[in-house]
Amino acid sequence: AQTVTQSQPEMSVQEAETVTLSCTYDTSENNYYLFWYKQPPSRQMILVIRQEAYKQQNATENRFSVNFQKAAKSFSLKISDSQLGDTAMYFCAFYSSNTGKLIFGQGTTLQVKP
Amino acid sequence: EAGVAQSPRYKIIEKRQSVAFWCNPISGHATLYWYQQILGQGPKLLIQFQNNGVVDDSQLPKDRFSAERLKGVDSTLKIQPAKLEDSAVYLCASSLDRENTEAFFGQGTRLTVV
Repeated sequence: AQTVTQSQPEMSVQEAETVTLSCTYDTSENNYYLFWYKQPPSRQMILVIRQEAYKQQNATENRFSVNFQKAAKSFSLKISDSQLGDTAMYFCAFYSSNTGKLIFGQGTTLQVKP
Repeated sequence: EAGVAQSPRYKIIEKRQSVAFWCNPISGHATLYWYQQILGQGPKLLIQFQNNGVVDDSQLPKDRFSAERLKGVDSTLKIQPAKLEDSAVYLCASSLDRENTEAFFGQGTRLTVV
């Protein structure tokens, strides 16, 4: 069975600085995707960034980038130039291409301070 | 494009009562997920549908929870009878198919059992 672990319950960062959120996962599958989702206080979950496991190149979306270490089963999210609107709970998620199952980690609450 | 619709937004019931949640996924989306999110935790997958068939319900407490997806479109999740520990936000999400992995989430239903 797959598992996703986020070891940082809470993080804080000053506005305009950079922060990295950690995630590790466990799977025996070869075909999968990894995601970071953002859940602002309003509660609706939004996709931040996606990484295909077969791609070596790390995904980047504007100020968001990942460090994907497949052998170590590690998938961290880096937020550059943090903004107040980045304050939210962030979830790492694993998607199995075999089953379509999407499972989440425990989440990291990020507070961006002015 | 309309998003994933869920109703009701909030529900308060007494323990041992019954409750039902409704989800209307994005049109054409074959995969539908129901998650339970306890405050401060990550979403826990309860059940996954592919069209109107159940793909995974291994984490669904089947003695009290049931779900159906008639005609492969709308879905309902029912709890009967409710317990105090069922207090949570119930999230519905949908994705186009197994190859198109991005899941879109509804705003959720916040259930309080008193």
